[in-house]
Amino acid sequence: SQTIHQWPATLVQPVGSPLSLECTVEGTSNPNLYWYRQAAGRGLQLLFYSVGIGQISSEVPQNLSASRPQDRQFILSSKKLLLSDSGFYLCAWSVSPTVEAFFGQGTRLTVV
Amino acid sequence: SQQGEEDPQALSIQEGENATMNCSYKTSINNLQWYRQNSGRGLVHLILIRSNEREKHSGRLRVTLDTSKKSSSLLITASRAADTASYFCATATDSGAGSYQLTFGKGTKLSVIP
Repeated sequence: SQTIHQWPATLVQPVGSPLSLECTVEGTSNPNLYWYRQAAGRGLQLLFYSVGIGQISSEVPQNLSASRPQDRQFILSSKKLLLSDSGFYLCAWSVSPTVEAFFGQGTRLTVV
Repeated sequence: SQQGEEDPQALSIQEGENATMNCSYKTSINNLQWYRQNSGRGLVHLILIRSNEREKHSGRLRVTLDTSKKSSSLLITASRAADTASYFCATATDSGAGSYQLTFGKGTKLSVIP
């Protein structure tokens, strides 16, 4: 069966520090991969999605970047965190964008 | 940008009652999906309804879709305390060149009181 792993679960980072959040998927190949951010009490904002290795689409201009170095690995990064980067980050995968998505457990990022 | 908008933002009901949540969207869709999120956790897919379908059932869940009104509703019958969670609708829309995106609304926070 397919599983998705996202870590760490929580992270407290100082302003200006780098960020690396990792997401891996098991049990499937060539998944569509997504990074979402959820502000407190809000819906999900799509940050990046990828349909294949090295193929990244960005939805909003921001202080973050994403990479897909391997088929089932999706990394969210920042060189210098801002206070406004705080939030709940969710990784997800789907077989295709027109069917259901499966989510990781999320990373609660607090920038102080 | 937000595609779906859920209504109400929050809903509190007694155990055993039915809960109805609504979702409106703006553009043409391939399908509409409903997800559930327990506090501080990832989202779990509940049900998917395609644009050519009008109603779908799954256990105690009933989803309707009205493409002419660009709206959907999620009905949870005989609610239980364990149904307490936030519920999100998500629309799969063509973002161009045959590429689709899944765009989420802000969610309805459901509280089921035992």
